[in-house]
Amino acid sequence: DADVTQTPRNRITKTGKRIMLECSQTKGHDRMYWYRQDPGLGLRLIYYSFDVKDINKGEISDGYSVSRQAQAKFSLSLESAIPNQTALYFCATSVGRDGAHQETQYFGPGTRLLVL
Amino acid sequence: DAKTTQPNSMESNEEEPVHLPCNHSTISGTDYIHWYRQLPSQGPEYVIHGLTSNVNNRMASLAIAEDRKSSTLILHRATLRDAAVYYCILRDGSGNTGKLIFGQGTTLQVKP
Repeated sequence: DADVTQTPRNRITKTGKRIMLECSQTKGHDRMYWYRQDPGLGLRLIYYSFDVKDINKGEISDGYSVSRQAQAKFSLSLESAIPNQTALYFCATSVGRDGAHQETQYFGPGTRLLVL
Repeated sequence: DAKTTQPNSMESNEEEPVHLPCNHSTISGTDYIHWYRQLPSQGPEYVIHGLTSNVNNRMASLAIAEDRKSSTLILHRATLRDAAVYYCILRDGSGNTGKLIFGQGTTLQVKP
C-alpha cells in the first residue's frame, strides 16, 4: 500500500552504528506504530504514537528510540546497533477516531535490516 | 492480553473453501477478534474483525462460536494469491492501547 512508505527498504550496517528508519504516510492517520518481525515469528510492537505529542513504549523498546516529527512521519532509531536487532521492521498507521480495539492498522512494505 | 492458538500450517486446493480455526478460550467480554494476513515479502493486511456476530466482507467471512472461545476465518474460494500467514488477534475493548499482539499464525498453502 503506497499510502505508507518506509525508507530504506534494505540496510546493512555494522555493530555500534547509529541508524534511522523512516516511515511516512499520506493517509492522514493520527496513530503510528513500529513493529519488528524475526524469522518464523509474528510481529512485536516496539513503539507507538497516538499523536505528535503522545509516544509510548511497546513490548520491546530497549535499544530503540522514536521521533514523531509530524503527523505524517514517525522515525525509528537504533542508537548503537547490535546483531540481534537484525530483523524486518514494519511501520503501521491507524485512523485514531474509532475505539482502538476496532481500528484497522495499515502496514508499510517493511525495512530489512542486517547488523553485522 | 488474552492468547490465541492456531495450527502452524494448513493446505488447501485452489477454488475450494478454506476454514482457518482459532482458539481463544480466555477471551474477555470486551475483546474483539481480528484477522490479518501477511503475503510473502509484504506487510500484514487487515482481513476482518468481529465481536459476537458472524461477519462477512469482500475478502472473507468470520464465524464466531456462541461462547466466543473459538472462531473460524472462512475463505470461500481459495486462490493462489491467498497463500499467506494468517494471524488471529484479540484486541482489548476495555482499554485504548491500539496494540496488535501477533502470535505465530497459520501458514496457508494453496495448491493449484
